[in-house]
Amino acid sequence: GDSVTQMEGPVTLSEEAFLTINCTYTATGYPSLFWYVQYPGEGLQLLLKATKADDKGSNKGFEATYRKETTSFHLEKGSVQVSDSAVYFCALSERGAQKLVFGQGTRLTINP
Amino acid sequence: DAGVTQSPTHLIKTRGQQVTLRCSPKSGHDTVSWYQQALGQGPQFIFQYYEEEERQRGNFPDRFSGHQFPNYSSELNVNALLLGDSALYLCASSNTLRREEDAYGYTFGSGTRLTVV
Repeated sequence: GDSVTQMEGPVTLSEEAFLTINCTYTATGYPSLFWYVQYPGEGLQLLLKATKADDKGSNKGFEATYRKETTSFHLEKGSVQVSDSAVYFCALSERGAQKLVFGQGTRLTINP
Repeated sequence: DAGVTQSPTHLIKTRGQQVTLRCSPKSGHDTVSWYQQALGQGPQFIFQYYEEEERQRGNFPDRFSGHQFPNYSSELNVNALLLGDSALYLCASSNTLRREEDAYGYTFGSGTRLTVV
């Protein structure tokens, strides 16, 4: 079945550092890929998405590129801020399916 | 434009009891999905409702049931609560006819935190 694997956390960085959170997936078809963010005590917010190979999703300085050849969708940001501290989830959605499949999440903490 | 609304925000129940959680989808959305998020884990799909019927179900026992009303709102019911049912329950909505243009994504509510003691 479909699955998503994220890099193990937690990840702790200093403000203005470069961020990469790795995500790889297994899917039978051609899924859409997502990054969701969850702030403490809240639900999930869509951060960015990509629907086909080589698409780049971007939002709030975060970027991720849909790499079909490596089945990856790594999240990057050039200069993180304290306000980026949250849990980040990589997810996929197959066209014929009705559900999102999530990775286990990566907790990110940014220190001033 | 109101997003997805869930109630209550927090709930404490005793093992063996029954619980009902509620969800109002985002305006313009007709499909509701429910997810269970255990502490430190990613959300797991419970089921999805469309046109007042369960369209797809994840790997959850029959103790978990749901309902969708004509106004698209939905309820999640859990019977015979176990300690392991303690989790954040998330509702997500979408529009089935606009799935492709929405990139097959969903809008999530803030969740109901259920604690079973």
